[in-house]
Amino acid sequence: GENVEQHPSTLSVQEGDSAVIKCTYSDSASNYFPWYKQELGKGPQLIIDIRSNVGEKKDQRIAVTLNKTAKHFSLHITETQPEDSAVYFCAPSRAANAGKSTFGDGTTLTVKP
Amino acid sequence: SAVISQKPSRDICQRGTSLTIQCQVDSQVTMMFWYRQQPGQSLTLIATANQGSEATYESGFVIDKFPISRPNLTFSTLTVSNMSPEDSSIYLCSVEEQTDTQYFGPGTRLTVL
Repeated sequence: GENVEQHPSTLSVQEGDSAVIKCTYSDSASNYFPWYKQELGKGPQLIIDIRSNVGEKKDQRIAVTLNKTAKHFSLHITETQPEDSAVYFCAPSRAANAGKSTFGDGTTLTVKP
Repeated sequence: SAVISQKPSRDICQRGTSLTIQCQVDSQVTMMFWYRQQPGQSLTLIATANQGSEATYESGFVIDKFPISRPNLTFSTLTVSNMSPEDSSIYLCSVEEQTDTQYFGPGTRLTVL
């Protein structure tokens, strides 16, 4: 099965700074790369995803970059705000199999005002 | 995007009893899944809920412990049987749309005493 590693496990930044979380995977056939945000007491919510035919995708303050050769992808959050504080999960998978993806262990991001 | 509700949102149960969790989706979906998230941990897939047939369980999960029903394309239940304190977790249902996008319910927080 897929081996997924996520780093760092915790990240603390000052409001306005940038945050980067990296996800490394083992299955070279993976071609769907989402990031989820989970706030306390809620289910994970998809915040951005990328597919293997694209190297980078941006949505306002959030971006995801993919290096398929090295088998890793990263979440970038710029101009962080306190409401960005949450646990972030990566979950790479093969297409049409996203529901059976292996989740990373999660990164707890704390944005200090 | 699919909107998912779960009932109950939380429960406290005695060991040896069973709890049935309901998951309702606001649209018809083919792929529906049940996950477990132990305290402070990542998500682990329990099973795929198949409409009209038996659920497909992941390694380490069995039907006798986690029976699942999927009577139609908008509804599923997960029962946690003969509970022990080790079953204390958040249980999440999710659906996968044709774009590979996965949506999660808010979760059911279960505490077993």
